[in-house]
Amino acid sequence: GAVVSQHPSRVICKSGTSVKIECRSLDFQATTMFWYRQFPKQSLMLMATSNEGSKATYEQGVEKDKFLINHASLTLSTLTVTSAHPEDSSFYICSAREIPDHYEQYFGPGTRLTVT
Amino acid sequence: AQTVTQSQPEMSVQEAETVTLSCTYDTSESDYYLFWYKQPPSRQMILVIRQEAYKQQNATENRFSVNFQKAAKSFSLKISDSQLGDAAMYFCAYRSTGGTSYGKLTFGQGTILTVHP
Repeated sequence: GAVVSQHPSRVICKSGTSVKIECRSLDFQATTMFWYRQFPKQSLMLMATSNEGSKATYEQGVEKDKFLINHASLTLSTLTVTSAHPEDSSFYICSAREIPDHYEQYFGPGTRLTVT
Repeated sequence: AQTVTQSQPEMSVQEAETVTLSCTYDTSESDYYLFWYKQPPSRQMILVIRQEAYKQQNATENRFSVNFQKAAKSFSLKISDSQLGDAAMYFCAYRSTGGTSYGKLTFGQGTILTVHP
């Protein structure tokens, strides 16, 4: 149980375009999902907390207009990277917290974004 | 804000030997959770072990055990009988149980573990 999927696993896009990444909890409901960014051989950096039915909470320094987060249902959160640039190339990971909260986060397999 | 520090960027161990990964954290909270995650080359985050701060007993999961020293704010991971499949990046993480940081995980910098056959 407690499986989180991400789609796509890899995406290549041109500079200036937008790309959407989906995060789904497959066998549980999640009121809260988290989005992380990870550079090679570095730690996970929390970008934002996504709450079902409300606006996302962004960490300091994260551009909310560039990284649009939508959490429309208890099993789906999306991250849209708008007007992507090469510096947005990274590995994006989502995680979900189930209801009720058992104090664990379940992680998706990640999405590798390459902006050319 | 909480901080988590892993002072060992890289560690290596011989197969079947024991290795200990270090983690310290800073917090003013009395109740929290600590985790060790493994990230193999596939990049999938895998929970290795977790510790509730209110529990004095150190958590154990098969070959993995922790040494939780609450007063010293230390949370080390011991891997016994190391296997080739243990090779990965290991992250120590802290989770708040209240306040504005409720539910958020704060990660350490990570330790790359190499296992030699």
